[in-house]
Amino acid sequence: GNSVTQMEGPVTLSEEAFLTINCTYTATGYPSLFWYVQYPGEGLQLLLKATKADDKGSNKGFEATYRKETTSFHLEKGSVQVSDSAVYFCALSDPFGGGFKTIFGAGTRLFVKA
Amino acid sequence: GAGVSQSPSNKVTEKGKDVELRCDPISGHTALYWYRQSLGQGLEFLIYFQGNSAPDKSGLPSDRFSAERTGGSVSTLTIQRTQQEDSAVYLCASSLDVNEQFFGPGTRLTVL
Repeated sequence: GNSVTQMEGPVTLSEEAFLTINCTYTATGYPSLFWYVQYPGEGLQLLLKATKADDKGSNKGFEATYRKETTSFHLEKGSVQVSDSAVYFCALSDPFGGGFKTIFGAGTRLFVKA
Repeated sequence: GAGVSQSPSNKVTEKGKDVELRCDPISGHTALYWYRQSLGQGLEFLIYFQGNSAPDKSGLPSDRFSAERTGGSVSTLTIQRTQQEDSAVYLCASSLDVNEQFFGPGTRLTVL
């Protein structure tokens, strides 16, 4: 079945450091891939997405590239800010194999220190 | 427009009691999802509804859990004979297509 594996946290960085949160997936079909973010005290919200191989999703300085050959969708940001402190979830949906059902990773908590 | 709303925001109950959690999705969204988020854990898929199709119940952890969606809109998640391990935040989301889910604020359930 479909699954998502992301690096365990917490990840602690200093402001302006480079961020990578690894995410790999297993899917039987051709999934769409997502990163959701949960800021402290807030609900989950979509950060970025990619719907086919080699697509790059980007938003708020974050990027992730859909790599079919390595089944990965790693999240990156060149210079993190304190306001980026949150929990980040990698997710996939497989419209042809799983319909609207979305599988989420366990989440990675990021702490950014000033 | 209004987002996804859930009620109650907090629920404290005694072990063995039944609880009902409500979700009001965004108007017009055809898909509705329920997830469970335990402390320090990721999102555990429970069930989803898509239009008039039979719901995907594959994530429900036991037969004590059930959900319904009336009129293609409001959904209720029912947990019968609650156990302490049911304590978690229950999240509802809705979507128009596979590209983005919109999440509600969640209901924090505490079973004493």
